[in-house]
Amino acid sequence: ETGVTQTPRHLVMGMTNKKSLKCEQHLGHNAMYWYKQSAKKPLELMFVYNFKEQTENNSVPSRFSPECPNSSHLFLHLHTLQPEDSALYLCASSQDVTGGYEQYFGPGTRLTVT
Amino acid sequence: GENVEQHPSTLSVQEGDSAVIKCTYSDSASNYFPWYKQELGKRPQLIIDIRSNVGEKKDQRIAVTLNKTAKHFSLHITETQPEDSAVYFCAALRANDMRFGAGTRLTVKP
Repeated sequence: ETGVTQTPRHLVMGMTNKKSLKCEQHLGHNAMYWYKQSAKKPLELMFVYNFKEQTENNSVPSRFSPECPNSSHLFLHLHTLQPEDSALYLCASSQDVTGGYEQYFGPGTRLTVT
Repeated sequence: GENVEQHPSTLSVQEGDSAVIKCTYSDSASNYFPWYKQELGKRPQLIIDIRSNVGEKKDQRIAVTLNKTAKHFSLHITETQPEDSAVYFCAALRANDMRFGAGTRLTVKP
């Protein structure tokens, strides 16, 4: 599946590093999302963008900084992370944020913070 | 905010049997309830969804029911097959905010 792509697929970083996760969607959608998936926990919605504007920020620590330069690209900038931030980070897109549209997920980036 | 509870956390059935997964939500303003299937090492994919103005929806072996008064919805899989083995997530959407349940690991034994 190539509708939503994410890079890198795996990332190991130290607590003092700065790195960025990239997401790209080729579906012509207007909304993009970042989720965190940890073992045995619900998928956690982190950020929502609609037409490049951030519409939701679910109390995410400032060490996670999203950027959405256009409707097709979404970044998650990471700095001074903690070991508990290790998780699978999933990007998703949908036609719009309201009204109940299917969200298409990317393959995720497996992040390990050492 | 919305809180979604999902049960059971694990479910094991024999091939051909039915499987039922239940979710409850707390915010009566939630109006869209999708179900996602995530196979091991793969991304979540939508399998069925229901909106708040509908009580039941069916797609071949999969059905979803919604009880708005009780604020719960359920996924029903009939004639289960080994390829149905996966983690299933329910979710509830209110405005921009999609909240997911913790997931149910379904194992279908041949």
